[in-house]
Amino acid sequence: KQEVTQIPAALSVPEGENLVLNCSFTDSAIYNLQWFRQDPGKGLTSLLLIQSSQREQTSGRLNASLDKSSGRSTLYIAASQPGDSATYLCAVRLSTGANNLFFGTGTRLTVIP
Amino acid sequence: NAGVTQTPKFRILKIGQSMTLQCAQDMNHNYMYWYRQDPGMGLKLIYYSVGAGITDKGEVPNGYNVSRSTTEDFPLRLELAAPSQTSVYFCASRTQGTEAFFGQGTRLTVV
Repeated sequence: KQEVTQIPAALSVPEGENLVLNCSFTDSAIYNLQWFRQDPGKGLTSLLLIQSSQREQTSGRLNASLDKSSGRSTLYIAASQPGDSATYLCAVRLSTGANNLFFGTGTRLTVIP
Repeated sequence: NAGVTQTPKFRILKIGQSMTLQCAQDMNHNYMYWYRQDPGMGLKLIYYSVGAGITDKGEVPNGYNVSRSTTEDFPLRLELAAPSQTSVYFCASRTQGTEAFFGQGTRLTVV
């Protein structure tokens, strides 16, 4: 069974700092990996999708990398802003089976003005 | 473009009551999913569907039922509500090879 772990569980940084969120997974036979943002009491907003054949994806100040062989992904946020404060979730889809997403428990990010 | 729409947003049920959580998507997506999110836990898959008329169990299906009579709709039914079903429920959809889109969630409390 796929296990997804996100470390740290919570992170506080001052505004303007660059930061990295980590995601690890146990089964490297993934189809793709997706990073989401979740604001308190809200749904999940997709940030980046990385296919298994890709090494990274970029969107604005966000950059996500994928190393399938080591079972790791990182989400890099440049020049953090208070509006980036949210919980960040990573989820992996396996190459076989139900095609559902396996989620980590998230990293709660607070950017201090 | 509405995306994935869930209703209701909030609901309080008494133990033993029944209800249906509604989910509709307007993106013509084949795949639809129901997840639950408990505090401090990752989202867990309840049921999923790969197309109209086809549904299957996920990781935590007990106490729930689904149907998929159309491509757009994927309702989740709770027959005999229990306190353990207090959670936030998310519906999601996607098409082959693309990212998943999520609804805003239904916060359910069973008392």
